[in-house]
Formats: sequence, structure tokens, C-alpha cells
Amino acid sequence: DQQVKQNSPSLSVQEGRISILNCDYTNSMFDYFLWYKKYPAEGPTFLISISSIKDKNEDGRFTVFLNKSAKHLSLHIVPSQPGDSAVYFCAAIAGSSNTGKLIFGQGTTLQVKP
Amino acid sequence: EPEVTQTPSHQVTQMGQEVILRCVPISNHLYFYWYRQILGQKVEFLVSFYNNEISEKSEIFDDQFSVERPDGSNFTLKIRSTKLEDSAMYFCASSDRGSGNTIYFGEGSWLTVV
Repeated sequence: DQQVKQNSPSLSVQEGRISILNCDYTNSMFDYFLWYKKYPAEGPTFLISISSIKDKNEDGRFTVFLNKSAKHLSLHIVPSQPGDSAVYFCAAIAGSSNTGKLIFGQGTTLQVKP
Repeated sequence: EPEVTQTPSHQVTQMGQEVILRCVPISNHLYFYWYRQILGQKVEFLVSFYNNEISEKSEIFDDQFSVERPDGSNFTLKIRSTKLEDSAMYFCASSDRGSGNTIYFGEGSWLTVV
């Protein structure tokens, strides 16, 4: 079941630069998307979300872009900081299902080098 | 900031034994979930729970699994007879539908079946 895909298993960027994490989905019923950050042996921490009625949502250093026609979303982190180093998961939900069933991608490990 | 809390953080159990994982969701949340992540794999949905009943469950959530809200604050996952393949990190989560479907996760309970 590959409804949500993060094709880059890892990404390395220099501190201060932009980090761009990508996510593709196949299920057109998905209407809400979330990004989570996760450290080893800890739970996913919510970062930012976007509804399918929007194409952009911004919160501080984090911006999520949604391209519905391409079924693609991305998370931009600007400027990147060493503390951002973690695994980032994209997740999607079909809101009409009303059951909170998130479908996660495989995750992308971000390393921000000082 | 309110958070989802889980106990135990780590449990080692013998195959065939019963395990109960406990969670205290965020207090004003109405929807509760269990997810799990087997080492090296995706975070997977197990079950959602609302109004004292299961809303949706995945194919993983077979007869060996059950959930309960024994009182006004706790939410438990029981595995009746553990198997080696049940070894995973189990995450409890909760949400308030009024918050636009954002689901907040606990720190996880690491279950090792030997």
C-alpha cells in the first residue's frame, strides 16, 4: 500500500539554507495533509498541516505547499537549523471518513549540518 | 502544552503473554487512536475509537487486539497473546475534530516480544 510516498529517504543541507522535503500521494480522496517530525524512540510531533482547499500554509520557518493536480506536497524549512535534524513524515487523511485514519509516508531523514 | 502520555515506555514480554499498553489522551479530545511502527517500517494505523466504540480498524487489528476506555481519562490497548511480530513501537494519539483533524501523538511504548 503506497498511497503516500516520500521518495527521498534522506536529505542533507547546510545550516541556514532551505530544506525541501517532498511527498506524493495517489488517493484523490485525501483532503487533509500533515507533516510530523520524529526523533528516534519518540512519538511523531505535529509540525504543520494543510487542507486540500488551500495550496499553501505557513507557520514560522515551516511552509507546506500543496499541488492537487500533481498530487504532490512539499515542506520547506527556512532557514534550516541543526535542531531540525530528524525524520520527517508526510501523512494524509480522507476527512470524509471521520475516523482519523492517517496514512503515513516512509519518512525522510533530514540532516542539517552546522 | 497538553500532551498524550503513554505507559510503559518499554516492555519486554514472553511470546503468548498478554500485554496492556496505557495512554492518557489530551483531556478535551474526543477521538483516540493507536498506531504502531515496526522497526524500519512506516507508522501504521491500528484503530480509532470514538464515543466508546471502535470507528475503524485496520487488518492488523485482529481478534488478538482490543481497546478500552475504562474511565474518563485512560485509553488502553490490549494484546491478548503476543507474537514475535507484535514487537514494535506503539503510539497512542488523540484529536479534537474541532481542530481540523490534527492528531497528536504520545511518546510511544516500545514492546519487545521474546
